Formats: sequence, structure tokens, C-alpha cells
Amino acid sequence: KAGVTQTPRYLIKTRGQQVTLSCSPISGHRSVSWYQQTPGQGLQFLFEYFSETQRNKGNFPGRFSGRQFSNSRSEMNVSTLELGDSALYLCASSFLAGGSTDTQYFGPGTRLTVL
Amino acid sequence: GQQLNQSPQSMFIQEGEDVSMNCTSSSIFNTWLWYKQDPGEGPVLLIALYKAGELTSNGRLTAQFGITRKDSFLNISASIPSDVGIYFCAGHPQRGADGLTFGKGTHLIIQP
Repeated sequence: KAGVTQTPRYLIKTRGQQVTLSCSPISGHRSVSWYQQTPGQGLQFLFEYFSETQRNKGNFPGRFSGRQFSNSRSEMNVSTLELGDSALYLCASSFLAGGSTDTQYFGPGTRLTVL
Repeated sequence: GQQLNQSPQSMFIQEGEDVSMNCTSSSIFNTWLWYKQDPGEGPVLLIALYKAGELTSNGRLTAQFGITRKDSFLNISASIPSDVGIYFCAGHPQRGADGLTFGKGTHLIIQP
């Protein structure tokens, strides 16, 4: 069974631009969660989608948004990029919705660099 | 939000030694998960724990879900060079449903 895939793996943008990252979950998984990883803050939860609906949202500004499609693939968008948005963005999928005892499996991440 | 205190922050050990790391929380967690992350990659699940008191092994790795549901430990026996990496504890807090909460990680360095 293929794992979680994320595209692109690397991205360089400049301040003020916007970016869209993509995540394909493990086949059969309906929940997709997004996390931001930085050296200073560690891994922080962004949001979770289940059956095309956002279920939970972490403490991030509205510039961070996402969506999920009927095939469970998810995209996250960051508008008006800031230098501090440089991070590894990780996607995780699970069969059940978050907050349950289900296990999340992570993709390799997208490394975003904002110049 | 919830926080997990993971220790130690880093470990320098000799190949063949046993390793122990732990995570504690001030609040109750429903699940405890241990992940390993290599540079430039996403975290890979090592062990998942779902019940208080549960002790689970995966090869040379052993982890336990604390009885109080506020802590967990991970042990690695007879470390080998490929064990190098950053180990994260993570869990679902009992209250709130805002995704996994992660510890800050334990950086394991093995000297041959």
C-alpha cells in the first residue's frame, strides 16, 4: 500500500506570494491533518480535514487555509507569505477522524523557503 | 494548548548501549505515539499505545503508556548506527481535538 505523498518536496517563494501544497493520503484513509515543523516551535498542528470538512484548526492565522477533495486528497494554501512561514510542512493521514485513537501516518513533507 | 515535556533533549551514546527517553504531560492523554524522524523526511511511526499500562515492543524498541495516562517512555536496546535520528513522542489529549500534540524531540547520536 503506498504511503502518504506530498508535492512538491521543495519550494522557494518570496515574501507576499502565495503557495499551495498538495497531499495524497494512504488509500482508504479519509482524514488528513497538516502540521508545520520549525526548529524553534517544533511540530505544530495546523488543521484537519475529514470527509471534505475541516474538523479542527490549530492556532494559526487565517492566511493558512486548506481543503479536501472527494477522493480525500488535500491541499493547503498560505497567502501573503512571511519569512517566518519557512518550514517543513507535513501531512498525515488516518482512517478515522482526529481526536480518536486512530494512528496518523506522515508524508515526507514539503520544505518551504520564503526569501 | 497542551504541551508534552520530552527528555532528554539529546543523547550521546556508544553503539550497543541501551537508550531510554520519556514524555510527560500535565494532562491526560488518550493515546501515546512514538515517531522517528530522519533529516529531510517526515516522522515514521515506531510504536502506538492506546491503553493505560500498555507495554508494546517493536523489535529492539519497547514503549509503555503510563498508568496515570500522563506519561510514556521509549526504550531502545543494543543501539546500532541506524538508530541515529530524532525521536518524538506525540499523543491525543483527552480534552480538545486539535490534532496530535508533539514533544520537542530527543536527538540520538551514536558514537561507534
